[in-house]
Amino acid sequence: AQSVTQLGSHVSVSEGALVLLRCNYSSSVPPYLFWYVQYPNQGLQLLLKYTTGATLVKGINGFEAEFKKSETSFHLTKPSAHMSDAAEYFCATYTGTASKLTFGTGTRLQVTL
Amino acid sequence: DAGVTQSPTHLIKTRGQHVTLRCSPISGHKSVSWYQQVLGQGPQFIFQYYEKEERGRGNFPDRFSARQFPNYSSELNVNALLLGDSALYLCASSLASGVPYEQYFGPGTRLTVT
Repeated sequence: AQSVTQLGSHVSVSEGALVLLRCNYSSSVPPYLFWYVQYPNQGLQLLLKYTTGATLVKGINGFEAEFKKSETSFHLTKPSAHMSDAAEYFCATYTGTASKLTFGTGTRLQVTL
Repeated sequence: DAGVTQSPTHLIKTRGQHVTLRCSPISGHKSVSWYQQVLGQGPQFIFQYYEKEERGRGNFPDRFSARQFPNYSSELNVNALLLGDSALYLCASSLASGVPYEQYFGPGTRLTVT
């Protein structure tokens, strides 16, 4: 069954530094992969998605992720962190034939001055 | 355009009571999914409905039920509430069922069971 694993429950970076949030997937078929962001006391917002085609996916707010089949990874990056990026980030994949999203455990990003 | 809306925003119930949560999808979306997010964890899939039919069910007890109406809005019902049902309940809508339709989430209903 398809699943995702997020490495690191908490990541802290300085403002202006590179953001790297890690996600590895487990799938016997080509996966559909997503990154969502959740700000405090809010729902989930889609940052970007990988379905097929180009392996480097650009999303909103300057985030991007690269699908690497050889490493079974879909890490999320942003060249320069802003204070407003502080939030919880979830990697997710579709499981089964229905639109069932399976989420990772989340990574809380802290941005410091 | 309005996004996914959920009501109520917050809810406090007592153990053993029943609760109904409501969701209105984005206009034109025919599929609604429900997720439970316990504090500190990722969302867990509960149900998916498409064209008023159940298309998927997660590993939740029969106390949880849902339905979808002709206007594609949806209700999630939970009977005999337990303390462990305290969570943020998220509704997501998509154009249709199945991949690769992306899901758009509402702000959630925070349920507290005392």
